Amino acid sequence: AQSVAQPEDQVNVAEGNPLTVKCTYSVSGNPYLFWYVQYPNRGLQFLLKYITGDNLVKGSYGFEAEFNKSQTSFHLKKPSALVSDSALYFCAVRDLTGGSYIPTFGRGTSLIVHP
Amino acid sequence: DAGVIQSPRHEVTEMGQEVTLRCKPISGHNSLFWYRQTMMRGLELLIYFNNNVPIDDSGMPEDRFSAKMPNASFSTLKIQPSEPRDSAVYFCASNLGEGVVEQYFGPGTRLTVT
Repeated sequence: AQSVAQPEDQVNVAEGNPLTVKCTYSVSGNPYLFWYVQYPNRGLQFLLKYITGDNLVKGSYGFEAEFNKSQTSFHLKKPSALVSDSALYFCAVRDLTGGSYIPTFGRGTSLIVHP
Repeated sequence: DAGVIQSPRHEVTEMGQEVTLRCKPISGHNSLFWYRQTMMRGLELLIYFNNNVPIDDSGMPEDRFSAKMPNASFSTLKIQPSEPRDSAVYFCASNLGEGVVEQYFGPGTRLTVT
């Protein structure tokens, strides 16, 4: 079985400050992890993914995420937030143990960047 | 590439009417997913097709919902009869289905059943 948790419904940060959006996961085998962003009235857009290798993954728009196996976490980070980063962020996990191609999505975290 | 195309973008209908949502996946993608998004339940997977065959429809709420994929470039999600609790944004997504690949989402159809 696979599951993902985003413990914060909303994250508030001032423009220019670093941001972190948290994600923890549970899988039986090896985790494949994804972050997506959803802007208002739009579909989800892929930001980055972790498969294997370097625990720090870099993605679109200056975002990065750190895979931590011992803490089963995959937190999304950005060194300096922009007002335009305000959106809904989804973490997703996929466990290939059973050969499934279906990811499980978290409930999403609303990021609000204040000017 | 035009991306995943969904139509209509907005649909307002009365309870009891039939609703058909349409999706054209990205050319070359062989997996297609239908999701429903609401404030209460977040993003829910309804059904997953691979090579036009339904693989997992365990998320389909009830018999009022049906989905088809007659060919690699077209899929429909039908609700008959519709109910107010079906009001949501419905997303279609596609990917290659092999390996660790991300999904590409369409813009969604906002359905309102009155």
